Amino acid sequence: DVKVTQSSRYLVKRTGEKVFLECVQDMDHENMFWYRQDPGLGLRLIYFSYDVKMKEKGDIPEGYSVSREKKERFSLILESASTNQTSMYLCASSTPYGGLAGRASTDTQYFGPGTRLTVL
Amino acid sequence: QKEVEQNSGPLSVPEGAIASLNCTYSDRGSQSFFWYRQYSGKSPELIMFIYSNGDKEDGRFTAQLNKASQYVSLLIRDSQPSDSATYLCPLQGYSTLTFGKGTMLLVSP
Repeated sequence: DVKVTQSSRYLVKRTGEKVFLECVQDMDHENMFWYRQDPGLGLRLIYFSYDVKMKEKGDIPEGYSVSREKKERFSLILESASTNQTSMYLCASSTPYGGLAGRASTDTQYFGPGTRLTVL
Repeated sequence: QKEVEQNSGPLSVPEGAIASLNCTYSDRGSQSFFWYRQYSGKSPELIMFIYSNGDKEDGRFTAQLNKASQYVSLLIRDSQPSDSATYLCPLQGYSTLTFGKGTMLLVSP
């Protein structure tokens, strides 16, 4: 089974702090993603990475940066946390290979448990 | 801009009934279509995917795809209270998925 883990389930930080959210996957997936989820807004893509040291902006990258130094690890960084970054943060991974066999297809994303971040 | 439209609900059905969830999407180029379930406070989990027109069945779940009309649906037979969750049908892009807001399903005992 695919396993995606996130460093914290709950996190409370103060405005202006630098915040690191870590995500690790154990399936050797090429792609990794960071989303935030807010009531009434659904899941929104912040950044994704398709290879080590590669990153692409998603729909809402402002105020965030990412780092992918190893294939299994993808970090989301809030350089200076603000109250409007209070949210649920979800990490996911997928592979572009494998075809359409079985229960999951190419690009099926597997999610971590999420980190609920509160910025005071 | 890829978009997926879902009725936010809640869709309320009694236990044992068939629940029908629908999505329409804007992009004709997507190859695969997914259904995810998300319980309150939890992360999304894959239910099934479908890539060809017609029906695909997996236990109590049936996904239906009509590419010409640009919609995908999910039928849940013999609905159970444990099926109460938000259901998401993301649109596939180039290695990315675009999520709508999801449909909340409530199954009453």
